[in-house]
Amino acid sequence: DVKVTQSSRYLVKRTGEKVFLECVQDMDHENMFWYRQDPGLGLRLIYFSYDVKMKEKGDIPEGYSVSREKKERFSLILESASTNQTSMYLCASIWTSGYNEQFFGPGTRLTVL
Amino acid sequence: GQQVMQIPQYQHVQEGEDFTTYCNSSTTLSNIQWYKQRPGGHPVFLIQLVKSGEVKKQKRLTFQFGEAKKNSSLHITATQTTDVGTYFCAGPGGAGSYQLTFGKGTKLSVIP
Repeated sequence: DVKVTQSSRYLVKRTGEKVFLECVQDMDHENMFWYRQDPGLGLRLIYFSYDVKMKEKGDIPEGYSVSREKKERFSLILESASTNQTSMYLCASIWTSGYNEQFFGPGTRLTVL
Repeated sequence: GQQVMQIPQYQHVQEGEDFTTYCNSSTTLSNIQWYKQRPGGHPVFLIQLVKSGEVKKQKRLTFQFGEAKKNSSLHITATQTTDVGTYFCAGPGGAGSYQLTFGKGTKLSVIP
């Protein structure tokens, strides 16, 4: 079974802190994604990566950056956390061929105080 | 950019009643996917539809893709409490990409 793991299930940070959210997948997927999920807004794409060291902005990249140094790991960075970044963050990965099914991690619920 | 609209946002049904959620795209889709997210969980892939007019069934769930490939629906017959959750449709985000554009989801509550 494909496994996508995220470093924390719950995280509480203070305004202005630098925050790292880690995502690891174990199926050699080339494409990885970071979403945030907010009530009534659905899933919104922050950034995605189609290869090591490659990244593309999604729909809401402002206030975020990403890092993909290894194929299995995709990190989301909040350089200076703000209260409006309180949200559920979901990582996903995908095969490069065949079904385009996205496999999601369990999510990190981040609260910024 | 492409938009995927999904209605209704919420649906409360009595156990045993049927449920339908609808998805509409502003552009023609090469395929459409459906995901289910249980309360406290993460989205899990249910199915992908590719062909115009395609209909697929998974037990009590029926998925349809419109003839024009711009709309889709998920119908659940005789809902059960295990059907509770949010159902999302998603279409490809762009040509040649593996991005998905998700609808905002329909949250289903089932009253026992």
